[in-house]
Amino acid sequence: DAGVTQSPTHLIKTRGQQVTLRCSPISGHKSVSWYQQVLGQGPQFIFQYYEKEERGRGNFPDRFSARQFPNYSSELNVNALLLGDSALYLCASSVRRDRERVDYGYTFGSGTRLTVV
Amino acid sequence: DAKTTQPTSMDCAEGRAANLPCNHSTISGNEYVYWYRQIHSQGPQYIIHGLKNNETNEMASLIITEDRKSSTLILPHATLRDTAVYYCIVWGRNYGGATNKLIFGTGTLLAVQP
Repeated sequence: DAGVTQSPTHLIKTRGQQVTLRCSPISGHKSVSWYQQVLGQGPQFIFQYYEKEERGRGNFPDRFSARQFPNYSSELNVNALLLGDSALYLCASSVRRDRERVDYGYTFGSGTRLTVV
Repeated sequence: DAKTTQPTSMDCAEGRAANLPCNHSTISGNEYVYWYRQIHSQGPQYIIHGLKNNETNEMASLIITEDRKSSTLILPHATLRDTAVYYCIVWGRNYGGATNKLIFGTGTLLAVQP
């Protein structure tokens, strides 16, 4: 079975540019979360989407946006890139059990390494 | 902020058991303890989780103290491939309609020595 797939694996952008990162969840997973991991730190939560709706947002500026498609894949967009946006961007998919209000089985992709120069 | 504290780094000899501690003194009754690990430049990998009973799977064992304020991840026979950052995460149901999100700390860098 395919795991969580992310593309591209590596990306170099210039300050001020815009970038789009893509994620395909595990089959059957309807929740997708995005995390940013800068060097030397643990991953930090950016967004969660479930059934194409934003269900949560971390402490990130409006330059960061995301969306989820009918097939549950997702895109993360970052506008007006800053040097500080250089990081590993991780996507995780999970199973949502609404009655229990819990997401299970968080599985991460290998990430997209974004370098802003 | 992360609800857990872990040592920054630990060493372990290859073939020996690696015991990674985690403190989570503010854990609430509906919160689980999860362990993930991250090998250099890869995504975090799920290891094990538990609520209050000790758990074991093919990768590791999880020992949770009776008061649930701390836990230990045990890798019974560490290999060089177990060198990674290990994250202990407290996570549970959300009753307020907020997102289920994993809050990572800085983890423990386990270095397995030959």
